[in-house]
Amino acid sequence: AQSVTQPDIHITVSEGASLELRCNYSYGATPYLFWYVQSPGQGLQLLLKYFSGDTLVQGIKGFEAEFKRSQSSFNLRKPSVHWSDAAEYFCAVGAANYGQNFVFGPGTRLSVLP
Amino acid sequence: SQTIHQWPATLVQPVGSPLSLECTVEGTSNPNLYWYRQAAGRGLQLLFYSVGIGQISSEVPQNLSASRPQDRQFILSSKKLLLSDSGFYLCAWSRATEVSGYTFGSGTRLTVV
Repeated sequence: AQSVTQPDIHITVSEGASLELRCNYSYGATPYLFWYVQSPGQGLQLLLKYFSGDTLVQGIKGFEAEFKRSQSSFNLRKPSVHWSDAAEYFCAVGAANYGQNFVFGPGTRLSVLP
Repeated sequence: SQTIHQWPATLVQPVGSPLSLECTVEGTSNPNLYWYRQAAGRGLQLLFYSVGIGQISSEVPQNLSASRPQDRQFILSSKKLLLSDSGFYLCAWSRATEVSGYTFGSGTRLTVV
C-alpha cells in the first residue's frame, strides 16, 4: 500500500532564507508525486507534480522539487521564502491506475519570521 | 477551463440536525469526485470517492453518506450530526482518464454545536 511521511510537523524560517520540506513515500512502482499548499481556511492548491522524466520539477510560486528514487523522497525547495509562503504543505502520492486515490502526507506547517 | 464550486463556506449546525454539502464541477465530463475531511490540526482524511453517477465508495464508516445524482454533482449528507463531525470538508475532482492530480474546492467549515 502507498504511504507518505512528512517528518517535520512544523518548520519556522526567516523571510529570505531557503526552505526544504521533506517528503518520503512508500510505493512499489514509480509513483506519481505531488505537492499542495493550503492557506488557512482555504482549499489545497497544486504546487507541482512529478510523473516521469526530469527528476527536478518546477512549480508555481518559485517552488521546485526533486524526485530521488534511491531515497524514496520528493523534497520541496524554495531558494528564498516570502512571508506569503506561510501555509500548510502536503505531499501526496498517487498510483497509475485511473480512479485510484492519492495518499496525502500529514502536512508540514510553515511559519515565516519577518 | 474547469472550476469546482463548493458550498456553503461556513456552517454551524446543532447536534442531531441533518447535513447537506454540495459540490459541483464545471468544464469537464465524467470526473472522479472526492470528499475529504480535515480535522483541526490534522491531515486529510478521505471520506468518499466516486468514479461515476451513482457509484460511491466509502473509505471510513461513519454517519455520513455521499451521493452523485448527476455527473458533475457530489453531495455529502448526514441524517443526524455528531459533535465529532465538526471539521473542514473539502471536495475535489480529478480526471478519470489520466493521472493529473486533484483540484480542490475552497472548503466548508462545519461546526457542530
